[in-house]
Amino acid sequence: GESVGLHLPTLSVQEGDNSIINCAYSNSASDYFIWYKQESGKGPQFIIDIRSNMDKRQGQRVTVLLNKTVKHLSLQIAATQPGDSAVYFCAENPGGKLIFGQGTELSVKP
Amino acid sequence: GAVVSQHPSWVICKSGTSVKIECRSLDFQATTMFWYRQFPKQSLMLMATSNEGSKATYEQGVEKDKFLINHASLTLSTLTVTSAHPEDSSFYICSARILAGAYTGELFFGEGSRLTVL
Repeated sequence: GESVGLHLPTLSVQEGDNSIINCAYSNSASDYFIWYKQESGKGPQFIIDIRSNMDKRQGQRVTVLLNKTVKHLSLQIAATQPGDSAVYFCAENPGGKLIFGQGTELSVKP
Repeated sequence: GAVVSQHPSWVICKSGTSVKIECRSLDFQATTMFWYRQFPKQSLMLMATSNEGSKATYEQGVEKDKFLINHASLTLSTLTVTSAHPEDSSFYICSARILAGAYTGELFFGEGSRLTVL
């Protein structure tokens, strides 16, 4: 199967600070990217998406940046809250199926 | 948003037995469903793409005789882990692509099914 990951990298931030989570994708043919949040023991939850004809998209407290030149995606979370603690995955969509990146575990300290 | 339901949410079985996991789209039709597996502290790995009325397409390295997928209707796909062994213990997650309506083309995920093989 694809995208077999290593153990998750972790990011620890103070409550109220901004968080930046990075992701490198692999397929130049991907034209659609999604960020998911996964809490322990649950399925992934959609956060925000972006198409390849854009380089930035903003949602509520979240911003996704896309750099196609270096195949890099980032998720910025403003004013991080304890409820944001979870694992965050980027996913790319080559050929209609969704392939997940490695993931980052975000820990928010009160 | 649309709801995807998985059943059972967790199952414990003895080595050598087979286990069936169901994935249902509750309020929409889905021609395509995807099955993932996830080991602790790792990413979701795509196992197969399930298409209603046709054979599933498996990813490289996934044994089709080991992981039987059936997509008999537009709202139900099943994954059967045959002759399960401890190394098959994992979190299995399905997702469904909406056929039509406000969220056409979007994927929605189930809550996952945790399989433990003793």
